[in-house]
Amino acid sequence: DGGITQSPKYLFRKEGQNVTLSCEQNLNHDAMYWYRQDPGQGLRLIYYSQIVNDFQKGDIAEGYSVSREKKESFPLTVTSAQKNPTAFYLCASSIDLGTAEAFFGQGTRLTVV
Amino acid sequence: SQKIEQNSEALNIQEGKTATLTCNYTNYSPAYLQWYRQDPGRGPVFLLLIRENEKEKRKERLKVTFDTTLKQSLFHITASQPADSATYLCALDRGFQKLVFGTGTRLLVSP
Repeated sequence: DGGITQSPKYLFRKEGQNVTLSCEQNLNHDAMYWYRQDPGQGLRLIYYSQIVNDFQKGDIAEGYSVSREKKESFPLTVTSAQKNPTAFYLCASSIDLGTAEAFFGQGTRLTVV
Repeated sequence: SQKIEQNSEALNIQEGKTATLTCNYTNYSPAYLQWYRQDPGRGPVFLLLIRENEKEKRKERLKVTFDTTLKQSLFHITASQPADSATYLCALDRGFQKLVFGTGTRLLVSP
């Protein structure tokens, strides 16, 4: 089945630790995105990547980092510099940046204690 | 400032009726607007896209309208079913697939 997979579904970390969220897609999509969703707020764009080895900051990139070494993979690291890391994180992909429909993963709920 | 607004209050309707959800925006000129469905604890699922030069789009029981003068999109579900209960998000394009999402409206369809 083609799709986009995020893991793990739930993640707990202690404050001050970096944590990496996995996102893999087998849709052969060029573009990938990371969003954050908080209660009462719309999805907010953290980072996006148009192509391998290239990525751009979104609206709330501070405290996050990404890499795009392979077309299929776009991991997100939440660093200790992120002040409010507890949130629901969503990864998405689309055929390219000019194509509309985004396919989302099932999300990772990160809780930092 | 730029805003995209959806009714934050849940919409409660009876099975069989038509649900109408609203998405208003200000200070954007999107080339297209999208609607997604999101179930609790899951990622959004794409439903429909409507372009700025289209007034209406249909897919099965779903209909979307887009009024660029009013800066508003309406999302209709006809003959609603309890399985349609979910949160519905609108998203508009601000260039290069950088979507901006509304907060969503929760729809509850009771039998």
